[in-house]
Amino acid sequence: DAGVTQSPTHLIKTRGQQVTLRCSPKSGHDTVSWYQQALGQGPQFIFQYYEEEERQRGNFPDRFSGHQFPNYSSELNVNALLLGDSALYLCASSSHRTEAFFGQGTRLTVV
Amino acid sequence: SQQGEEDPQALSIQEGENATMNCSYKTSINNLQWYRQNSGRGLVHLILIRSNEREKHSGRLRVTLDTSKKSSSLLITASRAADTASYFCATDALEGAQKLVFGQGTRLTINP
Repeated sequence: DAGVTQSPTHLIKTRGQQVTLRCSPKSGHDTVSWYQQALGQGPQFIFQYYEEEERQRGNFPDRFSGHQFPNYSSELNVNALLLGDSALYLCASSSHRTEAFFGQGTRLTVV
Repeated sequence: SQQGEEDPQALSIQEGENATMNCSYKTSINNLQWYRQNSGRGLVHLILIRSNEREKHSGRLRVTLDTSKKSSSLLITASRAADTASYFCATDALEGAQKLVFGQGTRLTINP
């Protein structure tokens, strides 16, 4: 079992650009959630996808959007990047509200 | 904003000693989960305790939950250098879809 995999592991983007991060959930999981973790802080919930629809959203602007595919994998898109978007982006997968397993994250640096 | 509060923010102990971290939260929960994070990498799931459970064990880990006080504790016994990491509690609120709310974590350092 490969667990939750995220790509890429590191990314450097320029202000104003757009970025897409990818996540493959753990085998058997149908729910994918995305979190943003700033340095020295705990992760903050961005949104959750289930059955290819956004089920719940945290306090993030519309610049943050996502998608879930029929194979349960997911993408996080961020438009018009700001310096403050620099963070570790974590994907978590789960099923039936049990343990949520996280990937290794994507470190995004906006310059 | 973050619901959970971990205490202490930082803890430094000698190898072999026990480490206790506490977590407080504000709303009614479905479950509470503890995670470990090494050097800003991904979160490793340690243990999940449901709202109707009071104590749970996994290897050297012992977690307690007091829903009347809205608090939980994580005890690591016989600590090892490899336990050095940040530890987070995350609550899954009773209402709404599963959305984990994290505290700011406890930074644990095990000294050899």
